[in-house]
Parts: sequence; structure tokens; C-alpha cells
Amino acid sequence: KAGVTQTPRYLIKTRGQQVTLSCSPISGHRSVSWYQQTPGQGLQFLFEYFSETQRNKGNFPGRFSGRQFSNSRSEMNVSTLELGDSALYLCASSLTRQGAGEKLFFGSGTQLSVL
Amino acid sequence: AQSVTQLGSHVSVSEGALVLLRCNYSSSVPPYLFWYVQYPNQGLQLLLKYTTGATLVKGINGFEAEFKKSETSFHLTKPSAHMSDAAEYFCAVSGGGANSKLTFGKGITLSVRP
Repeated sequence: KAGVTQTPRYLIKTRGQQVTLSCSPISGHRSVSWYQQTPGQGLQFLFEYFSETQRNKGNFPGRFSGRQFSNSRSEMNVSTLELGDSALYLCASSLTRQGAGEKLFFGSGTQLSVL
Repeated sequence: AQSVTQLGSHVSVSEGALVLLRCNYSSSVPPYLFWYVQYPNQGLQLLLKYTTGATLVKGINGFEAEFKKSETSFHLTKPSAHMSDAAEYFCAVSGGGANSKLTFGKGITLSVRP
């Protein structure tokens, strides 16, 4: 089985631009979660999607948004980029909701640099 | 609300020495507890998971963790460190329930000296 695939692997943007990151979950997995990882803050939960609906959201501004398609693939979008958005963005998939104690399978992440 | 505390950001051990990485959690309900490992330039992978039942949980690569409710701890151990164990380790807690999310600690970097 293929693992969780995130594209692109690296991204460089300038302040004010917007960016879209993509995540393809493991086949059969219906839940996709997104995390922001930075050296200072560790892993911060962004949101979880299940059956094309956002089920849970972390404490991030509205500039961070996402969606999930019928094939469970997910995208996240960050508008009006700020320098502080520079981070590794990790996607994780699981068979069902995080709250069920499911094991998460992580992709290798997208490293976003905002200049 | 739930949270995880991992004391210290870096642990260094000699090859063959005991590895002990500490984790304390806070949860208002019986938790699911996890340890994940992240190798350089990779995503996280699950080492082990505690749900209910036996308090000593065995994971991959010789790691194990003991759930102690009275101490709200879930420390990770390995009897003998190997060079390949050098990585970042994250403890995580989920409170259960449909809308519960997985909350991670800040992580501990493990270095292994030859």
C-alpha cells in the first residue's frame, strides 16, 4: 500500500501570496488531519476532515483553510502569507476519526518558506 | 482540555545505555496515549499506543512505555540505545470522543553517542 503523499515537498513564497498544499491519504482512509510543525511550537493541530466535512479545528486564523474531496484527498490553503507561516506542514491519515484513538499515518510534509 | 508535557528538549545517551524519555499528560477523561518518532526529513511514525488494559505497552524497535494513572505519566524506555534511535520523539494524548483531537508534546531530541 502506498503511504501518505504530500506535494510539493518544498515551497518558497513571498509575504502576501497564497499557497495550496496537497495530501493524498492511504487508500481506504477517510480521515485527514493537518499539523503545522515549527522548532519553537512543535506540532500544532490545524484541522481534521472526515467524509468531506471539517470535523475539528485548531486555533489558527481564518487565513488557514482546507477541504476534502470525495476520494478523501485533501488540500489546505493559506492566504495572505506571513513570515511566521514558515513551517513544515504535515498531513496524517487514519481509517476513522482521531478521537477514536486511531493510529495516524503521516506524510513527509511540505516545507514552506515565506520570504 | 488535554495537554502533554515533555520535560527538556534534548537527551543524550551512550550507545548501549538505557533510554528514558519522560511524558506527563493532563486529561479530564481516560486517555489514549501515544509515542511517535520522527527521523530527519521524514514524517512521524507510531512507536506504541496505550488504550486500556495492560499498563505496560510494547512497541516497535524495542521501545516500551508504562502508563501510570496515579502519576499521570507515560514514560518511554528502551534498555539499550542504538545509533539508529537518534531522532525526535513525541508524546501525544487524545481524550477520546468523536470530537477529540490528538495533542502532541513539544518533542524531545534523542542523541546517541558512540
